[in-house]
Amino acid sequence: QKEVEQNSGPLSVPEGAIASLNCTYSDRGSQSFFWYRQYSGKSPELIMFIYSNGDKEDGRFTAQLNKASQYVSLLIRDSQPSDSATYLCAVNMGSMDSNYQLIWGAGTKLIIKP
Amino acid sequence: EPEVTQTPSHQVTQMGQEVILRCVPISNHLYFYWYRQILGQKVEFLVSFYNNEISEKSEIFDDQFSVERPDGSNFTLKIRSTKLEDSAMYFCASSEIRLDLGDTQYFGPGTRLTVL
Repeated sequence: QKEVEQNSGPLSVPEGAIASLNCTYSDRGSQSFFWYRQYSGKSPELIMFIYSNGDKEDGRFTAQLNKASQYVSLLIRDSQPSDSATYLCAVNMGSMDSNYQLIWGAGTKLIIKP
Repeated sequence: EPEVTQTPSHQVTQMGQEVILRCVPISNHLYFYWYRQILGQKVEFLVSFYNNEISEKSEIFDDQFSVERPDGSNFTLKIRSTKLEDSAMYFCASSEIRLDLGDTQYFGPGTRLTVL
């Protein structure tokens, strides 16, 4: 069973602080990793994707990937109240029967407190 | 900025009825997907579609489901005989190339299906 695990939260972070969101995945052969943001009742919105070990930065967001530990994280610097949402980790396993699909975590609810 | 669109935004139907959910993917994208999300639960993959045929499908995508690209722009999901447990948000997504070749999927706003 291919799994993507996230702490459901809620994770409460003061405005202006760094929010750290974590995700683990079960399939060691996984190829690509995505962070989506989902507001209540809305569709997932792509925040970042990462394919290689290490860090990838885009504005206030940094994705970190450690394939040896099967771990991917998202850091949000200078957190804003508008960042309050559920953050979904999604993984493309890249195997013969899953080149096309994303496997999703249940999401971490992030609350930024003013 | 190009975006994926879906209609209707909300569909209410009686159990046993057929529904068709419609999607217009981003115009230069070649891969199309349907996902669903039952309220409060994970997003679940249903099916992917490329070159006018299904490329992958999940266990959820049983014989009551079908997909079609009836023309050059629309991509549809048909549920033949709806069940109460089909009530969910259905998301269409598209990508230019395959995920394992380095692409990302872009999601439409979703259709909320309510089966009574």
